[in-house]
Amino acid sequence: QVTLKESGPVLVKTTETLTLTCTVSGFSLSNAKMGVSWIRQSPGKALEWLSHISSNDEKSYSTSLKSRLTVSKDTSKSQVVLTMTNMDPADTATYYCARLTRGYGDAFDFWGQGTLVTVSS
Amino acid sequence: DIQLTQSPSFVSASVGDRVTITCRASRDVKSWLAWYRQKPGKAPELLIYTTSTLQRGVPSRFSGSGSGTSFTLTISSLQPEDFATYYCQQAYSFPLFTFGLGTKVDVK
Repeated sequence: QVTLKESGPVLVKTTETLTLTCTVSGFSLSNAKMGVSWIRQSPGKALEWLSHISSNDEKSYSTSLKSRLTVSKDTSKSQVVLTMTNMDPADTATYYCARLTRGYGDAFDFWGQGTLVTVSS
Repeated sequence: DIQLTQSPSFVSASVGDRVTITCRASRDVKSWLAWYRQKPGKAPELLIYTTSTLQRGVPSRFSGSGSGTSFTLTISSLQPEDFATYYCQQAYSFPLFTFGLGTKVDVK
């Protein structure tokens, strides 16, 4: 079955760089119909889309965070990696990775459980 | 960027009630709109995509309608597991995406 699982540090300091890994199973990152996005949710707040990587390695970023984000994938390891530079307490959030399947409304049909990242000064 | 505005922000309802949530887009997104339910402490789950297509396994009490800039999610008979927060999401600007700010459905 399809699963996604986020991993990374629980706690980072202000100005540090965050690196998160999404490990997927049950599908291939090279499948032309598949892509993976990163989405975050600050405590008590709404979902915020951050970044997407498609099977052909096309990458996209949130307009407001573009300068701080980098996404990449390692198809052989079934992993998608997100880095976010210059972390701030306002970046404290649960970070999710989610699969998007083209041809199904470009919606996120499977999600990881999320990983809570706290930024402390 | 396309903005999505959900209304209301909060709904108080009882089991068995009919609940309607609206999502308005800042510009035409055709039918590229999805809905998610997020239970407390859990990841969101996809309910509906392309405005009105029910995701596999989603109960038929959920329905979606609309087009262009105005969309609606309807729960025909609210169940205990439906007390949650609901989000709309546009995919018209793929590979850039937007979520609405959410509508919380709680117990009256």
